[in-house]
Amino acid sequence: AQSVTQLDSQVPVFEEAPVELRCNYSSSVSVYLFWYVQYPNQGLQLLLKYLSGSTLVKGINGFEAEFNKSQTSFHLRKPSVHISDTAEYFCAVTDYGQNFVFGPGTRLSVLP
Amino acid sequence: DTAVSQTPKYLVTQMGNDKSIKCEQNLGHDTMYWYKQDSKKFLKIMFSYNNKELIINETVPNRFSPKSPDKAHLNLHINSLELGDSAVYFCASSQAGVGGGTGELFFGEGSRLTVL
Repeated sequence: AQSVTQLDSQVPVFEEAPVELRCNYSSSVSVYLFWYVQYPNQGLQLLLKYLSGSTLVKGINGFEAEFNKSQTSFHLRKPSVHISDTAEYFCAVTDYGQNFVFGPGTRLSVLP
Repeated sequence: DTAVSQTPKYLVTQMGNDKSIKCEQNLGHDTMYWYKQDSKKFLKIMFSYNNKELIINETVPNRFSPKSPDKAHLNLHINSLELGDSAVYFCASSQAGVGGGTGELFFGEGSRLTVL
């Protein structure tokens, strides 16, 4: 079984500052990793995913994440955030079966 | 053209009533899911169907019954609604496993259920 930890439940950051949202996972098998974003009153939208290959993955809206197998981490980063990035961010894993496990989410608040 | 659509978007009802939420996907995916998101935003899988067959059935009260008439539809029926059922219910689909697809989930917009 897989599990996902997102250590920061809330991350406030000023506009144009860099941000990192942390994600750690545990699994006994190889996994595939995802970051989703949820804007208020909307469904979840895929930001980026790691399936294989390069461990640095670039996604939409200027976000990127790095897969670190030894540290079982998949942290999300953006060099300069905008007000519009304010949302809930979810890290998720799957063993490429049919079961996706989500972390508890990190609320990113971008302050003017 | 919405990929995963669910109806209704909002549902307000009294305790003890029965209600249904419908979901349809036009992505040609084999697998569909129901997730429950509570007030703290925590997402928990409830059910998963692959080609109309139930493959994941988490610890969910028997009052919740999914039905998949075909692989493009997955409906959720809830009997005898309770206050604790208030949440946002998300339908999702994916094309996972051997044979193709990236395995990512595509979500509907959610159905906000409020039980009074």
